[in-house]
Amino acid sequence: NAGVTQTPKFQVLKTGQSMTLQCAQDMNHEYMSWYRQDPGMGLRLIHYSVGAGITDQGEVPNGYNVSRSTTEDFPLRLLSAAPSQTSVYFCASSYRDRGPSEAFFGQGTRLTVV
Amino acid sequence: DAKTTQPNSMESNEEEPVHLPCNHSTISGTDYIHWYRQLPSQGPEYVIHGLTSNVNNRMASLAIAEDRKSSTLILHRATLRDAAVYYCILKSGNTGKLIFGQGTTLQVKP
Repeated sequence: NAGVTQTPKFQVLKTGQSMTLQCAQDMNHEYMSWYRQDPGMGLRLIHYSVGAGITDQGEVPNGYNVSRSTTEDFPLRLLSAAPSQTSVYFCASSYRDRGPSEAFFGQGTRLTVV
Repeated sequence: DAKTTQPNSMESNEEEPVHLPCNHSTISGTDYIHWYRQLPSQGPEYVIHGLTSNVNNRMASLAIAEDRKSSTLILHRATLRDAAVYYCILKSGNTGKLIFGQGTTLQVKP
């Protein structure tokens, strides 16, 4: 099983450029989410989705957009990259958004904005 | 979202048990206690979760205080591969969001 797949693994952007980080899961999970992790820090929730067509903001949503047109995919768009968005980005999915469901994480996308 | 408090770091010797504490005094009745760990340069991975009763799985055990205001993750025999950051998280039974704290960095000495 592929689990949660993130692409690309590494990316360098110039300030002001836009890009989309891809996240796909093959487990038919309803709940998907995006986190960022800055050096030496814990993960912070950016956006999440409880199902196709439904998204909501997390702790640090500014500068990011998401959409959920299918159950499998949950792309994260950077509208105009800034150096402050240099981070490692993790996508996660779980069967339901309710308490018992364990989350599965991708391997991360390491983004550098210069 | 209810918060958790963990020590910043802990050390253990290989093949000895490790007890990782977590305080969550503001836990609500619908919050599940989840533990994840993050190995270097990897995404977090699920370890264990519980609601009220102690739980065991192949990776670890979770001991939950009777008042649910604290819990302890128990690794029965630490190995070098267990060196990681361990996160204790309260997952709301209503919203389902996982809100990470700083976690505990576990060092395992040979």
